[in-house]
Amino acid sequence: GAVVSQHPSWVICKSGTSVKIECRSLDFQATTMFWYRQFPKQSLMLMATSNEGSKATYEQGVEKDKFLINHASLTLSTLTVTSAHPEDSSFYICSASSGAYGYTFGSGTRLTVV
Amino acid sequence: DQQVKQNSPSLSVQEGRISILNCDYTNSMFDYFLWYKKYPAEGPTFLISISSIKDKNEDGRFTVFLNKSAKHLSLHIVPSQPGDSAVYFCAASGMNRDDKIIFGKGTRLHILP
Repeated sequence: GAVVSQHPSWVICKSGTSVKIECRSLDFQATTMFWYRQFPKQSLMLMATSNEGSKATYEQGVEKDKFLINHASLTLSTLTVTSAHPEDSSFYICSASSGAYGYTFGSGTRLTVV
Repeated sequence: DQQVKQNSPSLSVQEGRISILNCDYTNSMFDYFLWYKKYPAEGPTFLISISSIKDKNEDGRFTVFLNKSAKHLSLHIVPSQPGDSAVYFCAASGMNRDDKIIFGKGTRLHILP
């Protein structure tokens, strides 16, 4: 139980285009999902907290107009990287709270912007 | 300001010996602590956790120790196995279910044959 499915697992896009990453909780309802970004050899950095039916809460330094988060249902949150640039290339991971202190992570998305 | 610190970026341990990964935190409001294991290009997987009311939690080969007065926790793996080679993240959270988790930078563990 408590599976989080994240798609796509990897994507290559051209500079200036937008990319959407989906995070689904398969067997539980997640009122809150978290989006992380990881640079090589660095920690997971929390980008934003996504709450179902309301606006996401972004961490300091994260551009909300660039990283659009939508949490339209209790099982789906999406992260859209708009007008992607090479510096946006990174590993993006979502997680969802799946019970008392249970956080389940997606498998991550490797984004490469060329 | 880094609230969760893992000061050792890497650690090498002989197979069969004990691996000890350390973590320090600064926020006294943290109430729950977690360890995650991560392989390259994959999401982190939950390993073991401990709440602030305990000082030890054991699960098979993995034991987490918490010293609240020192704001320090450690993960012990014994005996270490080759499959334990990965990056280990220490993380901390508040007491509410949807509190965000703050991660340390991780420690890369190498298990030597």
